[in-house]
Amino acid sequence: DTAVSQTPKYLVTQMGNDKSIKCEQNLGHDTMYWYKQDSKKFLKIMFSYNNKELIINETVPNRFSPKSPDKAHLNLHINSLELGDSAVYFCASSPGGRYGYTFGSGTRLTVV
Amino acid sequence: GQNIDQPTEMTATEGAIVQINCTYQTSGFNGLFWYQQHAGEAPTFLSYNVLDGLEEKGRFSSFLSRSKGYSYLLLKELQMKDSASYLCAAPYAGNNRKLIWGLGTSLAVNP
Repeated sequence: DTAVSQTPKYLVTQMGNDKSIKCEQNLGHDTMYWYKQDSKKFLKIMFSYNNKELIINETVPNRFSPKSPDKAHLNLHINSLELGDSAVYFCASSPGGRYGYTFGSGTRLTVV
Repeated sequence: GQNIDQPTEMTATEGAIVQINCTYQTSGFNGLFWYQQHAGEAPTFLSYNVLDGLEEKGRFSSFLSRSKGYSYLLLKELQMKDSASYLCAAPYAGNNRKLIWGLGTSLAVNP
């Protein structure tokens, strides 16, 4: 059973397109996240939802819009894709406290 | 400010012991995490320290000194599969829901 699953795993698209990445967790965690990991491997938080409520909204272009229909799902929609958006996007979930995060396998986005 | 520093790269030999250091500056300390990330894969949780001292988990141990803002991950009996990036992370302003991350230490284990 996959704990945190995100789709698609790979996404190659042209500049200016709009794309979505989906994430689902079956761990019963209250909090979900979107992270961006760039080519230098730096993990940067983008958004976090707790029980469908947006609790972290970092300085991210408003072309990025998260949506959480329920606490088990967190999707990321990206409008007008740019070359600089190329990165690996990780979804994660956490029950909080000492238990850390469980990450999805990542979506490697390449904008050409 | 809040930041995390760790060495960029380390090399070790199979069967040896390696120590990966991490220094942090955060306000409202609330624990420190270590994660392992193999190339092309997601980070996986290794350990969490909130009290001073060493916590052992099999071949991996993690140490914390809150007064020094310092932690290390100790890997014993190194195996080739331990070649990975090791990331140190701490809650931002004591908020476990938001972590700040180090850039990771890339460990290469040689035969």
